[in-house]
Amino acid sequence: DAKTTQPPSMDCAEGRAANLPCNHSTISGNEYVYWYRQIHSQGPQYIIHGLKNNETNEMASLIITEDRKSSTLILPHATLRDTAVYYCIVRVQTGGFKTIFGAGTRLFVKA
Amino acid sequence: DTEVTQTPKHLVMGMTNKKSLKCEQHMGHRAMYWYKQKAKKPPELMFVYSYEKLSINESVPSRFSPECPNSSLLNLHLHALQPEDSALYLCASSQADSRNLNYGYTFGSGTRLTVV
Repeated sequence: DAKTTQPPSMDCAEGRAANLPCNHSTISGNEYVYWYRQIHSQGPQYIIHGLKNNETNEMASLIITEDRKSSTLILPHATLRDTAVYYCIVRVQTGGFKTIFGAGTRLFVKA
Repeated sequence: DTEVTQTPKHLVMGMTNKKSLKCEQHMGHRAMYWYKQKAKKPPELMFVYSYEKLSINESVPSRFSPECPNSSLLNLHLHALQPEDSALYLCASSQADSRNLNYGYTFGSGTRLTVV
């Protein structure tokens, strides 16, 4: 699986959009970009994933650059409960293979 | 049911004890995973099961022994652990092929293990 690079920490004001970047310059054509988050002492939670096109669900939006070498997770209106570690992962869609977590970004949402 | 259930939530064991961690899911997922997570570190992959067969062992010491008795259950048997094995042990499951839309892994809340 390709490696990802994320900033170690970010701050965001409550109610504002949180934009979390991820670099994955060695991504292969069949690898998807997945985002998870982990709130303190809980298991990671799936947020969103995509291949080439931008994706949106009830939790977040995922913007993937045209060359697929980077992506941005957008939380449109961050709340205090969004304070967590956010992991960007690239992997094939098929299950039963490795999912390797990088160091992630620790997002602090402040009132 | 959209959850992965892990038991126990907390476990304290001595270095000579034998214990087991249990993971259960009823989402029809045929891939299951064990991860180990130390404080302030990302989860580290330990084992992957696909269709109840061990497909990946990330060079985990033999004192950790996984078992997948059926498509819903995943166990991790522990024996002669060391204090440095104290960590949060996470179980996850997912679809095992790409025919169905894959929403990623579903993780349990973990078992917090302390070895004394």
